[in-house]
Amino acid sequence: DVKVTQSSRYLVKRTGEKVFLECVQDMDHENMFWYRQDPGLGLRLIYFSYDVKMKEKGDIPEGYSVSREKKERFSLILESASTNQTSMYLCASSQLPGTSGTSTDTQYFGPGTRLTVL
Amino acid sequence: AQRVTQPEKLLSVFKGAPVELKCNYSYSGSPELFWYVQYSRQRLQLLLRHISRESIKGFTADLNKGETSFHLKKPFAQEEDSAMYYCALRAGSYQLTFGKGTKLSVIP
Repeated sequence: DVKVTQSSRYLVKRTGEKVFLECVQDMDHENMFWYRQDPGLGLRLIYFSYDVKMKEKGDIPEGYSVSREKKERFSLILESASTNQTSMYLCASSQLPGTSGTSTDTQYFGPGTRLTVL
Repeated sequence: AQRVTQPEKLLSVFKGAPVELKCNYSYSGSPELFWYVQYSRQRLQLLLRHISRESIKGFTADLNKGETSFHLKKPFAQEEDSAMYYCALRAGSYQLTFGKGTKLSVIP
């Protein structure tokens, strides 16, 4: 059973603080993703990574950075948190397309981290 | 660029009534379409994918390339179907483009 875990369910930070959100998956997936989920806006991709040390910008990367030093771990960093970054953050992972015996298109999501920036 | 449109933010139906959650997409190539669901206090999870042509929890969805639609249907809604539903498109890369979601509320 695929498991994607996120370091915190709830986080409260102050404006200007540096914030780290951690995500770990245990299925040896190549791809990992960070989204933010906002009411009325759906899921918007922030960054994704298809391999260790590789990263690609998503639709809304401004104000965020990421780190993938190990295959199972993908970190989202808010360099200087702002109130408009208050949101639910979802991490997901998936297998590479073409890998046999897996649902390669399926993204498996973590439980989410609700971040509030005051 | 690809886009996914879910025109209804909220859809309320009575238990036992048919349900149709609309999804339209724009993409010039051959997309792969998915429906994801998030029940209250649970994580987002895959409901079904168009290439599987399967029925999950009584839900089906047919890809209509002519109308660029992938509507989710169920003939008889159940209370446990109440959830947030997201349509998503994969367009030749690893990432998905999600719609804004439709909240389905099934009234007992």
